[in-house]
Amino acid sequence: EAGVTQFPSHSVIEKGQTVTLRCDPISGHDNLYWYRRVMGKEIKFLLHFVKESKQDESGMPNNRFLAERTGGTYSTLKVQPAELEDSGVYFCASSQGTGAGETQYFGPGTRLLVL
Amino acid sequence: AQTVTQSQPEMSVQEAETVTLSCTYDTSESNYYLFWYKQPPSRQMILVIRQEAYKQQNATENRFSVNFQKAAKSFSLKISDSQLGDTAMYFCAFMKPINKLVFGAGTILRVKS
Repeated sequence: EAGVTQFPSHSVIEKGQTVTLRCDPISGHDNLYWYRRVMGKEIKFLLHFVKESKQDESGMPNNRFLAERTGGTYSTLKVQPAELEDSGVYFCASSQGTGAGETQYFGPGTRLLVL
Repeated sequence: AQTVTQSQPEMSVQEAETVTLSCTYDTSESNYYLFWYKQPPSRQMILVIRQEAYKQQNATENRFSVNFQKAAKSFSLKISDSQLGDTAMYFCAFMKPINKLVFGAGTILRVKS
């Protein structure tokens, strides 16, 4: 069974440009999460989808970030326009159900560098 | 708000020896879950071990075990018979039921031959 995949693995863009990150969860997983780790700091929650609905987007830093999950399958996270402080590693995770303490399975992350 | 603290930014251990990684957390919740994840160099993060707060028995997975002290809000990870493949960044994380993970800053563990 394929794990969580993310594309691209790395992205280098200039300040003001737009970048779109993609996440494909494990097949059949209704829950999809986005997290971010800024250099040297904690991994922080961004948002949570249940199927195509946003369950919790309390961690989204500002309105330059837009996440979608059309059809409840893969998800995209768009940053527009990108700023220097958006640099970091963006992780996607998925879990099957909404049971208590459900294990989340992580993708390899997308390393974003904004110059 | 919940917080997770990993006080050891880096640690090293000789192959075949035992090492313990520290983690403390702060919460007012009574029911929650704790996790250790590892991220090997250039590879994705994988679950090492999971603990349910209402279970007093410490979780164990092969060479990995935890020392869960609920009153002290401590959740340390013990790795026995360390192997070169254990070299990774280790993250401690907290979760309320049906909720997001809150991570510590991570501990880099290097296993030396």
